[in-house]
Amino acid sequence: EVQLVQSGAEVKKPGESLRISCKGSGYSFTSYWISWVRQMPGKGLEWMGRIDPSDSYTNYSPSFQGHVTISADKSISTAYLQWSSLKASDTAMYYCASGYCSSTSCYFDYWGQGTLVTVSS
Amino acid sequence: SYVLTQPPSVSVAPGKTARITCGGNNIGSKSVHWYQQKPGQAPVLVIYYDSDRPSGIPERFSGSNSGNTATLTISRVEAGDEADYYCQVWDSSSDLTWVFGGGTKLTVL
Repeated sequence: EVQLVQSGAEVKKPGESLRISCKGSGYSFTSYWISWVRQMPGKGLEWMGRIDPSDSYTNYSPSFQGHVTISADKSISTAYLQWSSLKASDTAMYYCASGYCSSTSCYFDYWGQGTLVTVSS
Repeated sequence: SYVLTQPPSVSVAPGKTARITCGGNNIGSKSVHWYQQKPGQAPVLVIYYDSDRPSGIPERFSGSNSGNTATLTISRVEAGDEADYYCQVWDSSSDLTWVFGGGTKLTVL
């Protein structure tokens, strides 16, 4: 059974750093890109960026470029989303998702359970 | 960047048919994927490549895509279908590779 299991909820102060994780199991972790998706309270889904775990190549949505860092450790089948200095506006639910791609399109076939990040002074 | 437009809300009585639209410039030339998200849960893929259903998704869920509009159709709507629905395309022409619509809240009356 394919599973993406995310780390637990976090409460942080503005300016603090944070790294959340997403561990894949039940499939070949290096065969599928992992993306991170933000959902702010009461709002829709926003794609943040993705990583190819086989070579750690990343690309980001322009809205998130420079604000977060996506990385992966294929030896432990885990992807990460990292902030160096959190803001209150980073308060949101963050999902990781595995992307299946053909030559013409990509979609998310499996999702993690989500990690709630709360940033408050 | 590519923009997908969904109505904020759709309401339907139980047993009737709900249609949720997703508009985009020449969206018929792209593959559209649909996700269902119930409160407090992660999204779930319900339609991929315009009209294919993942295993476990009822046949009541179907999709179509032509011109500037893609449509998710839910037949014989049940109370358990009440959720937010998001369309998504993959835009290989820009850095915003995965694009989501704004989401539609389906209310079962």
